[in-house]
Amino acid sequence: GEDVEQSLFLSVREGDSSVINCTYTDSSSTYLYWYKQEPGAGLQLLTYIFSNMDMKQDQRLTVLLNKKDKHLSLRIADTQTGDSAIYFCAESMTGRRALTFGSGTRLQVQP
Amino acid sequence: NAGVTQTPKFRVLKTGQSMTLLCAQDMNHEYMYWYRQDPGMGLRLIHYSVGEGTTAKGEVPDGYNVSRLKKQNFLLGLESAAPSQTSVYFCASSSQGVGNEQFFGPGTRLTVL
Repeated sequence: GEDVEQSLFLSVREGDSSVINCTYTDSSSTYLYWYKQEPGAGLQLLTYIFSNMDMKQDQRLTVLLNKKDKHLSLRIADTQTGDSAIYFCAESMTGRRALTFGSGTRLQVQP
Repeated sequence: NAGVTQTPKFRVLKTGQSMTLLCAQDMNHEYMYWYRQDPGMGLRLIHYSVGEGTTAKGEVPDGYNVSRLKKQNFLLGLESAAPSQTSVYFCASSSQGVGNEQFFGPGTRLTVL
């Protein structure tokens, strides 16, 4: 079955690194995504990684994928108060355009 | 480009009333989706469409109907609203390109009393 799991809450201090984790169960995932949702807004794509990659870096964001353990992480370097939001992990599978989302991790950045 | 827009932004219904949520996109995307977001449950797919004139059921389709008469619009209907349909509804669209990035609308907050 399809299941994407995330921890519910993470609190960090401004300037520290944040690591948000996600596990998924379907080995046929083709792409894995990280979306950000700010209060009262829709979801915004931050980054995505193809399932045959191990790592992807985009400025302050680093995505690590451990396909063997079905574990995905998002590292935000030098976390800022503007990074406070809910972060969703999502997966898509071959032949299926719709995404399966995790329940979201609320990141709180303390000044 | 406006991207993905949704109307209305907020709505309160009484049990048994009907309504239609409208989603519009100006990116010429083939694929469109309706999700609902409930606390602690992430987003769940209600219905989706892979092109004009086509619709398909998602994870939680019961109590909802959809139509895609024009490529740019995707309508979500509630024929007889129930309190369990109180939620935030998001529309999204995507192209056929690699990566399948979905673009989301700002959401519609619906309360059913």
